[in-house]
Amino acid sequence: GAGVSQSPSNKVTEKGKDVELRCDPISGHTALYWYRQSLGQGLEFLIYFQGNSAPDKSGLPSDRFSAERTGGSVSTLTIQRTQQEDSAVYLCASSWGGASHEQYFGPGTRLTVT
Amino acid sequence: KNQVEQSPQSLIILEGKNCTLQCNYTVSPFSNLRWYKQDTGRGPVSLTIMTFSENTKSNGRYTATLDADTKQSSLHITASQLSDSASYICVVSARSNFGNEKLTFGTGTRLTIIP
Repeated sequence: GAGVSQSPSNKVTEKGKDVELRCDPISGHTALYWYRQSLGQGLEFLIYFQGNSAPDKSGLPSDRFSAERTGGSVSTLTIQRTQQEDSAVYLCASSWGGASHEQYFGPGTRLTVT
Repeated sequence: KNQVEQSPQSLIILEGKNCTLQCNYTVSPFSNLRWYKQDTGRGPVSLTIMTFSENTKSNGRYTATLDADTKQSSLHITASQLSDSASYICVVSARSNFGNEKLTFGTGTRLTIIP
């Protein structure tokens, strides 16, 4: 079946603009994660959705970052008033359950803030 | 603070040779340890997942070991192929007091196989 998909694959934006990144998880997966991978750094956890539970937002670096998951499926990560340090690859992953289950990653969105 | 350290940062070996990648962690309470392979421009793909009671697990030419006492893991690649060129990421899961889990990612080892 189809894997996790993300769009756009690349996004270049000017500092101060808002951006939206989209993630389509594997159908039926109840858990969805957003991560950020900066150059030379490990993956950084941002936010975790599990079913109808309140999302775990503990990894969001600032209030400029927000995410939502509509209908328990598609998720959108929004970054407001982008800064150059937001430049990174943003990865989405989904799984059948919580973090003890295998996560399947999308190809990522490379965000460049100029 | 939960941390995962990987070594070496990068490694270049000849096709057909074996290699071993290392992962040390200070994550607690430990739940499981995973190795991922990430090709350039792609998302990570799971290779192995090991719980506390498992000290070795294989996936084809990849063999992961876990020593929960010393908090060390290794990923051994046998008879390397050009397609093994990728970053290998060690991820350790800690179980929280609320029953859910948090993942801590290492920065990865960049492996390059040359013909």
